[in-house]
Amino acid sequence: GEDVEQSLFLSVREGDSSVINCTYTDSSSTYLYWYKQEPGAGLQLLTYIFSNMDMKQDQRLTVLLNKKDKHLSLRIADTQTGDSAIYFCAERRLTGGGNKLTFGTGTQLKVEL
Amino acid sequence: GAGVSQSPSNKVTEKGKDVELRCDPISGHTALYWYRQSLGQGLEFLIYFQGNSAPDKSGLPSDRFSAERTGGSVSTLTIQRTQQEDSAVYLCASSTGLESYEQYFGPGTRLTVT
Repeated sequence: GEDVEQSLFLSVREGDSSVINCTYTDSSSTYLYWYKQEPGAGLQLLTYIFSNMDMKQDQRLTVLLNKKDKHLSLRIADTQTGDSAIYFCAERRLTGGGNKLTFGTGTQLKVEL
Repeated sequence: GAGVSQSPSNKVTEKGKDVELRCDPISGHTALYWYRQSLGQGLEFLIYFQGNSAPDKSGLPSDRFSAERTGGSVSTLTIQRTQQEDSAVYLCASSTGLESYEQYFGPGTRLTVT
């Protein structure tokens, strides 16, 4: 199918780790992304991973990619209240041309004190 | 160091009216994209411009939607005879080109059709 799937909600306590999961669809996708959207704001690119990588770490963020299962995850260590937002995974598909992104449904992360 | 800008930030229109949404990409970015974010459909691709090539219109939901990009810079998305299901946030993004991995998004235009 065409859908990139994510769970809709995740609630964690401040200081804990958050793991947001995503299942994508196209094995030919070249790049996979995580975007953050805060209320009333546009999309902010958090991190990305190239399809020939299994893992990428960037400060508190760790991205894991399982190409066999077409599964992508974003781990946020030491989650803070400022991390509360909607997180979108996206795939850049090789097929269909261009550089357009196909986004997941978004996961709303709520960080509680 | 301006980012992608969009105007207006909010637009309320009556059903059946035409609307124009504007996007100013980052200077020098040759690729420009329009996406739509709505409650029912999530974030979906609408149209993509790359340099002087013919645009990829494969995401436009109906022939009421059109977009142009003048002079390889500013883009206008036009929705004719607006319907209530057109209510959404319209996001514009730009990138340095076809092979660029990052698209920079604007803040969006919230369109409400009453």
